Amino acid sequence: AQTVTQSQPEMSVQEAETVTLSCTYDTSESDYYLFWYKQPPSRQMILVIRQEAYKQQNATENRFSVNFQKAAKSFSLKISDSQLGDAAMYFCAYRSGNNNAGNMLTFGGGTRLMVKP
Amino acid sequence: KAGVTQTPRYLIKTRGQQVTLSCSPISGHRSVSWYQQTPGQGLQFLFEYFSETQRNKGNFPGRFSGRQFSNSRSEMNVSTLELGDSALYLCASSFTQTLAYATEAFFGQGTRLTVV
Repeated sequence: AQTVTQSQPEMSVQEAETVTLSCTYDTSESDYYLFWYKQPPSRQMILVIRQEAYKQQNATENRFSVNFQKAAKSFSLKISDSQLGDAAMYFCAYRSGNNNAGNMLTFGGGTRLMVKP
Repeated sequence: KAGVTQTPRYLIKTRGQQVTLSCSPISGHRSVSWYQQTPGQGLQFLFEYFSETQRNKGNFPGRFSGRQFSNSRSEMNVSTLELGDSALYLCASSFTQTLAYATEAFFGQGTRLTVV
């Protein structure tokens, strides 16, 4: 079974600065997908960024980028120019590329990000 | 395009009762997954339905069940409620054209269930 670990329960960052959230995972599969989801106080999970394991290039979405290290099984999220609206819980998630696994996501424990004005 | 809709948003039930939660996926999405979120256990996968068939099931007791209708709407049922079932229940839908390919999951706002 796959596991996802987020070792930072809480992080804080000054507005306009950069912060990196860590995520490691354990899997024996070679084909899989990784995601970062944001959960603000409204509770709705919002997809921030996704990475396919077969792609060597790190994904980027505006101020959000990832550092995907497949050999190290590491998938960190970098938020640049942090904004007050970035304050939320961030979850790292894994989805198998195995057809039988369907869309099941395995989540890490989450990192609460606080943004200081 | 409407997002994933979960009803009700809040629910209070008594121990021993049963409860049914509803999820309407994004139009065109055929896969619906359910997750339980608690402070202690985090986010845990309950089950996934695709084209009215349960495709995967997490490690939950048989008191937790679900189904999917022909319009892709899904319900989950919890029978004989226990205090530990108090949680946020999240539904997610995905556009899965075939079993071999799927896009990311889009989540609803959840149903907050409190068992007293």
